[in-house]
Amino acid sequence: QVQLQESGPGLVKPSQTLSLTCTVSGGSINSGFYYWSWIRQRPGKGLEGMGYIYSTGSTHYNPPLTSRVSISIDTSKNQFSLRLSSVTAADTAVYYCARGSRGVLFYWGQGTLVTVSS
Amino acid sequence: EIVLTQSPGTLSLSPGERATLSCRASQSVSGGYLAWYQQKPGQAPRLLIFGASSRATGISDRFSGSGSGTDFTLTISRLEPEDFAVYYCQQYGSSPELTFGGGTKVEIK
Repeated sequence: QVQLQESGPGLVKPSQTLSLTCTVSGGSINSGFYYWSWIRQRPGKGLEGMGYIYSTGSTHYNPPLTSRVSISIDTSKNQFSLRLSSVTAADTAVYYCARGSRGVLFYWGQGTLVTVSS
Repeated sequence: EIVLTQSPGTLSLSPGERATLSCRASQSVSGGYLAWYQQKPGQAPRLLIFGASSRATGISDRFSGSGSGTDFTLTISRLEPEDFAVYYCQQYGSSPELTFGGGTKVEIK
């Protein structure tokens, strides 16, 4: 059974860079035709796709965040990571990592709350 | 960019009743590539339906999906107490972006 676990600071200062890592267990991040995604959910709001990466390193980012987001993958550690630059209070959210296959997000991490505040 | 509009925003029903949730796309979703997720408070979303009508592993047959083109429906035949949650649709056929609808909350009347 594939499991995903987000990790990283729960508090980030405005204008700094948010960095999160998703550790995958129960399967290789380098196997199959999967993509590895980040989705966030602002307090009391809906789901917002941020982007995803394939094991080849190919990425796609959702347009509103393209200039600030970067997703990378480390197959040796079975991890993938999110970096979001120049954060503001509007980036306060629960951040989820998920594994997608043919567009469908079958497996999700439990999510991690990141608060942007000085 | 495809926009997914879910309605109603909130559905107030009693256990045992039937729930009908709508997801409308701003342009046709090719291949019927639409998924539905359930999210309970404090939990990650859980996949219910993919390919518009295929139930994910372990999902009760109370849940069914239908639709094509721009109009899709999630039906819960008889609401159980554990079904009261927020439901999101997601398209994955017509654009590479991860696109979700705004969600429908199914609450106890």
